[in-house]
Amino acid sequence: SYELTQPPSVSVSPGQTARITCSGDALPKQYAYWYQQKPGQAPVLVIYKDSERPSGIPERFSGSSSGTTVTLTISGVQAEDEADYYCQSADSSGTSWVFGGGTKLTVL
Amino acid sequence: EVQLVESGGGLVKPGGSLRLSCAASGFTFSSYSMNWVRQAPGKGLEWVSSISSSSSYIYYADSVKGRFTISRDNAKNSLYLQMNSLRAEDTAVYYCAGETGTTGGFDYWGQGTLVTVSS
Repeated sequence: SYELTQPPSVSVSPGQTARITCSGDALPKQYAYWYQQKPGQAPVLVIYKDSERPSGIPERFSGSSSGTTVTLTISGVQAEDEADYYCQSADSSGTSWVFGGGTKLTVL
Repeated sequence: EVQLVESGGGLVKPGGSLRLSCAASGFTFSSYSMNWVRQAPGKGLEWVSSISSSSSYIYYADSVKGRFTISRDNAKNSLYLQMNSLRAEDTAVYYCAGETGTTGGFDYWGQGTLVTVSS
């Protein structure tokens, strides 16, 4: 079955830039989406279609794509950005959604 | 304001059944594809099933295929998940999530309902 691979954890100091990667064979053909989930809360969509930002999401959140890897970048990280981040995409047939294993972002 | 409210979770024995519901409000439910996503305690998100706006297209994760059935009632603004032959590994918080089509992703999420499968 199709898998998306994320690093388990990323740590940055406040004000620095955090980059979270997600790798998958079908990513050149399928869009990626990114969700932020804080403890005890439902996920929130922060990036869609690789690099678009929904209304209400701060500009410091951005996304990019290169080949089989997509990257979520958080510039000028703030304490409130500490959360789990999940990438999501479809398999090559477009009939199944897949989530990455999640990355815990720690703000030091 | 968009709201998705799940219900129907609880404790069930292995092999048992449970029916989850998701009540939608604040948006045109009948226009959106809907999904169930689950999260086992301390684990990541797992997509479970999707249903298109008119129920024409239905998809399942391999882990639940043949045991779970997704359905919707657009007249009642409600989404359902019938779960049969439950296993311990089905223990999770189950979220319903809606796709508006604007982003292509899951724009709206409920707060989830906990399903515990244990003897």
